[in-house]
Amino acid sequence: DAGITQSPRHKVTETGTPVTLRCHQTENHRYMYWYRQDPGHGLRLIHYSYGVKDTDKGEVSDGYSVSRSKTEDFLLTLESATSSQTSVYFCAISEPAGVKAEAFFGQGTRLTVV
Amino acid sequence: AQSVTQPDIHITVSEGASLELRCNYSYGATPYLFWYVQSPGQGLQLLLKYFSGDTLVQGIKGFEAEFKRSQSSFNLRKPSVHWSDAAEYFCAVGDGGGSNYKLTFGKGTLLTVNP
Repeated sequence: DAGITQSPRHKVTETGTPVTLRCHQTENHRYMYWYRQDPGHGLRLIHYSYGVKDTDKGEVSDGYSVSRSKTEDFLLTLESATSSQTSVYFCAISEPAGVKAEAFFGQGTRLTVV
Repeated sequence: AQSVTQPDIHITVSEGASLELRCNYSYGATPYLFWYVQSPGQGLQLLLKYFSGDTLVQGIKGFEAEFKRSQSSFNLRKPSVHWSDAAEYFCAVGDGGGSNYKLTFGKGTLLTVNP
């Protein structure tokens, strides 16, 4: 299995509080992604990174920010959590050879905003 | 922008029966296609991938998929389903050159296996 660790694995937080989720990889892959998974929606891309300090938005980026100060760590921050951000969050990594590669996924973080 | 459609939200099959899960994609160039499986409470595991060449690709756990460019499809098949195959299955397309490489996923097909 690819070395991807997400923390925490479960979190309950209150509306309006900041939350940071961490993804740590030991594979030295250049690309890292944050997806959210919701019933009926599959996986939707929030943000991704293609190198240290290089990030870009995905299709559902509103209300989220990311940072990548080291190759191995990719942080997802909810500045002020809302109930609509209750979801399961997955980190993924990839090392495209040219323009193609599969992604490897972490075990997910279940976030509940009450 | 690319998109992936999985027409079947939920499929039920009997153990030992054959299986086909459908996937259609929308993409302007040569697609890079993937099937992933997710067991309850777990992350996603890659079943197989198509980049180029032979349009019939073999994956893990006895799965195969066939790329049909004329139909924009990449259907997943298994000749005989086992109870342990019950899971959710996701089709995905990889896209973007340079710094924009990312995977876009379908909404998934939940597979139930009856004894």
